[in-house]
Amino acid sequence: QVQLQESGPGLVKPSETLSLTCTVSGDSISGYYWSWIRQPPGKGLEWIAYIYYSGTTYYNPSLQSRVTISVDTSKNYFSLKLSSVTAADTAIYYCARVRSTGYLDYWGQGTLVTVSS
Amino acid sequence: QSVLTQPPSASGTPGQRVTISCSGRSSNIEHNPVSWYQQLPGTAPKLLIYDNNQWPSGVPDRFSASKSGTSASLAISGLQSEDEADYYCSSWDDSLNGPVFGGGTKLTVL
Repeated sequence: QVQLQESGPGLVKPSETLSLTCTVSGDSISGYYWSWIRQPPGKGLEWIAYIYYSGTTYYNPSLQSRVTISVDTSKNYFSLKLSSVTAADTAIYYCARVRSTGYLDYWGQGTLVTVSS
Repeated sequence: QSVLTQPPSASGTPGQRVTISCSGRSSNIEHNPVSWYQQLPGTAPKLLIYDNNQWPSGVPDRFSASKSGTSASLAISGLQSEDEADYYCSSWDDSLNGPVFGGGTKLTVL
């Protein structure tokens, strides 16, 4: 059974950089696409970015200037960095595996990141 | 504002059949498969339907889905109290080159 686990600080100050890691267990990270999605409290889902295990990246144009996604196949994890955060970036951040037709078959439990001074 | 349009709420009584609609455009639903996710309170979304009408292992066949043109729908038959959750539709968007989601439909079992 594939499992994903997000980790990182739960509180980030405005203008600083949010950094999260998603550790994958139960399967190799190789051969798949991996994604970050976020959900502001009480709101819907928003795709942030995804990455192929080889390192090819794709970003949501609305966030592209502030986002970096990376992968470490040797340690079976991938990461997210979001710079210059504001209160609008407060959300539950999920990592997920992306299948070839675009659906997300495995999700992490999510981690709440609050942007506040 | 979400790219795909869903009704914000739906409701039904136990045993009933309810449907949830999802409207998109040619860059997403019309030319790409639709998936549906169930999000129980306080939990992560869970894949319910993929590739328009396929069930992942473990999902009961009370859940079914269809697509026509730029719209899709999820149907839940034999409604149960444990079906009370938020439901999201999703599809790949060729313009965005990424997945897009509906705003979610909160299903209440009366």
